[in-house]
Formats: sequence, C-alpha cells, structure tokens
Amino acid sequence: SQTIHQWPATLVQPVGSPLSLECTVEGTSNPNLYWYRQAAGRGLQLLFYSVGIGQISSEVPQNLSASRPQDRQFILSSKKLLLSDSGFYLCAWTPGHWNTEAFFGQGTRLTVV
Amino acid sequence: QKEVEQDPGPLSVPEGAIVSLNCTYSNSAFQYFMWYRQYSRKGPELLMYTYSSGNKEDGRFTAQVDKSSKYISLFIRDSQPSDSATYLCAMSAKLTGGGNKLTFGTGTQLKVEL
Repeated sequence: SQTIHQWPATLVQPVGSPLSLECTVEGTSNPNLYWYRQAAGRGLQLLFYSVGIGQISSEVPQNLSASRPQDRQFILSSKKLLLSDSGFYLCAWTPGHWNTEAFFGQGTRLTVV
Repeated sequence: QKEVEQDPGPLSVPEGAIVSLNCTYSNSAFQYFMWYRQYSRKGPELLMYTYSSGNKEDGRFTAQVDKSSKYISLFIRDSQPSDSATYLCAMSAKLTGGGNKLTFGTGTQLKVEL
C-alpha cells in the first residue's frame, strides 16, 4: 500500500532563517506531488505541484520554492523566512493520471517568530 | 466569487443526528468531487469521492453530487462524537502542465455532542 511521509511535524523558525520541508511517498511510482498551505478560514491553497522529476509548477508567487530531486521526494524550501510564511503545510500525492483523489501527509505546523 | 463555497460552521448536533454538509461551486471544469475529514492538527483524510451526479453511499456516509446545480453534499447518519472534525469538500480539474488540481472549500467544523 502507498504511504506518504512528511516531516517535521512542527517547526519554529526565526525570521530570515532558511526552510526545508521534506515529503516522500512509498509504494507507488511516478506520482504527482503537491504542496498546499492551510490558513485558518481560508482552506487549502495549492503552492506547487510536480508531475515528474525536476518538473515544478508554481501556483502563486511567494517566498517559497519547491524541488523534486527524486521520483518520490518533494521538498519545500525558502532562503529567508517571513512572518507571513507561518502556517500549516501539507504535502499530497495523486497517481500519475488526472482526476483522481489526493492523499495527504500529516502536515507541518510552521511558526515564524 | 470563490470557485468553491462552503459554510464554515461551526455546526453542533446531538449524537445520533443526521448531518448535512454542503458546498457549491462555479467552475464547470470540475469533474471529480471529494470529501475530506480533518482532525485538529492533522492532514486531511479522504472520506468519499465521486465522479458523476447522483448518490454514493459508504456506511454511514452518503455523498451527493448535482452537477446541473453545481452543488454537492455529504450526509452523515447516526452521527458519533468521533465524527467531530472539520469537513472539507474538494473538486478536481486538470492542470495545463499535467496532473490535477484540487480546489477546496474552507471547511465546515462539526461537533457531535453526547
């Protein structure tokens, strides 16, 4: 069966510090991978998605970037965090064909102080 | 206008009640409809998904889609305290670069009381 791992679960970082959140999927190949951010009262906002190694698409301009160095690994990064980057970050995957349900990791609660 | 509208609640019901959760949408490109359950500080968990208009039942849960009215619902029968969570509707459309994009409602917070 497929599983998705996301870490760390919580993170407190000072303003201006770098960020690296990692997500890996097991039990499948060539998944579509996604990074979402969830803010209170605003639902889930799609940040980045990837349909293959090295292929990254950004949905919204921001202080963040994403990379996919391996088929089942997706990384969310920032060089310098802002206070506004605080939130709940979720990684998700779907099989490599469209219009199907997504499966989420357990999320990372990021607080920038 | 948001692509997906969902009443945020909170919704409080007694144990055993029938719960009705609803979303409306405006984008006709949405073809796949899902309901997720999210407990506090956890990732969303897929509950139901459906492709076509009509009803789909799974245990105490029934998902209903009306594409002509752009309206989807989730019904929970015999609600339990363990059903207390935030329920998110989600709708899927194809991304131009491949893959599919889920657009979520803001979630409805449900509390089932003893």
